[in-house]
Amino acid sequence: GAVVSQHPSWVICKSGTSVKIECRSLDFQATTMFWYRQFPKQSLMLMATSNEGSKATYEQGVEKDKFLINHASLTLSTLTVTSAHPEDSSFYICSARDVLTGEAFFGQGTRLTVV
Amino acid sequence: AQSVTQLDSQVPVFEEAPVELRCNYSSSVSVYLFWYVQYPNQGLQLLLKYLSGSTLVKGINGFEAEFNKSQTSFHLRKPSVHISDTAEYFCAVTLNQAGTALIFGKGTTLSVSS
Repeated sequence: GAVVSQHPSWVICKSGTSVKIECRSLDFQATTMFWYRQFPKQSLMLMATSNEGSKATYEQGVEKDKFLINHASLTLSTLTVTSAHPEDSSFYICSARDVLTGEAFFGQGTRLTVV
Repeated sequence: AQSVTQLDSQVPVFEEAPVELRCNYSSSVSVYLFWYVQYPNQGLQLLLKYLSGSTLVKGINGFEAEFNKSQTSFHLRKPSVHISDTAEYFCAVTLNQAGTALIFGKGTTLSVSS
């Protein structure tokens, strides 16, 4: 079946630095990808919808200048956490839906720890 | 907008007992429904999905769910659980549009003990 690959699976960074997370759809084209955030023992919260070739749509309360999303091709979306702080530590998961079937596929997730 | 309510935050059961995890959704239009399982420090694994057709959906690991449009429910069931089923379970809803994200419930922690 279709696969979404997310990289890296975990990252530790210093406070104030930026971290980029990549999300690739491996065998289907994704004009739209989604980024979620999951705090420990909580559910997945939609952060933003990434649209190929246009600006991302952010959910209420999500800082677009802090979480930069780029969707430059039909198979790649990136999330950059800028000037990371410890409170940004979380599990970030990307998702894409197959245009033909409507099915949703999720990346493996990225555990970000900011120290 | 769509929303999902998982009625039980925690469900403790004994091994080999049956279990039902409840999920209700809200939507004014037709939806797709999903159940995912998440083990500690791991990503999501799809258990089953309802897109259309038969309202009884069978998934992996012996799980099944029934779509009930009149009650707007999509409860997950397993006739006999194992210790290894201990995990977090998420119900999710989305529209029949590829540009629409899945919206997740708050999750249900299933704890299976011997």
